[in-house]
Amino acid sequence: GQNIDQPTEMTATEGAIVQINCTYQTSGFNGLFWYQQHAGEAPTFLSYNVLDGLEEKGRFSSFLSRSKGYSYLLLKELQMKDSASYLCAVLSGNTPLVFGKGTRLSVIA
Amino acid sequence: DGGITQSPKYLFRKEGQNVTLSCEQNLNHDAMYWYRQDPGQGLRLIYYSQIVNDFQKGDIAEGYSVSREKKESFPLTVTSAQKNPTAFYLCASSIIGTGGSGANVLTFGAGSRLTVL
Repeated sequence: GQNIDQPTEMTATEGAIVQINCTYQTSGFNGLFWYQQHAGEAPTFLSYNVLDGLEEKGRFSSFLSRSKGYSYLLLKELQMKDSASYLCAVLSGNTPLVFGKGTRLSVIA
Repeated sequence: DGGITQSPKYLFRKEGQNVTLSCEQNLNHDAMYWYRQDPGQGLRLIYYSQIVNDFQKGDIAEGYSVSREKKESFPLTVTSAQKNPTAFYLCASSIIGTGGSGANVLTFGAGSRLTVL
């Protein structure tokens, strides 16, 4: 099976930087995804990492270390609209994505 | 525009009734999935299908059934055997691949919220 851990809740200030961590244990690792989900809505794809290192996409960046089973999502210049849940999901072999429980981020003024 | 359509958005069910949630996609994706989401929980996989007329159980398949008669459609039936069906149900689809960009990226429908009265 897979074990995916991420913090339950985080709070950060508008304009600041926040890092959301995700650790995982799996065999046959085939990639790690981050999704954003606003309350009551469907998740939307943010990023995908399969090789070690940092992938930057605008205000959002995602980092992966396969040897440590660790990833983080970095959000810069936080805006109020970034208040949402952030879901870490792991792909292993040919099985469907397995999701962590999500991190609920609250951005305050 | 291509996408996934789920219906109904809200559904109320009496105990003992079966209900069917619709999921249709026009993305030409081979794989389709049903996830369940409860408050404070992540998405848990109910069923998935990678090809027409074939589907696989996920982690919490008990009390649910699916069919995949057409590539575009993957309806989910919540049966009376499901002991706690009140939840947010999400349908998704994806290209099947070996993990390269684009493959296995799930596109989600807007969700169906089921409440048992």
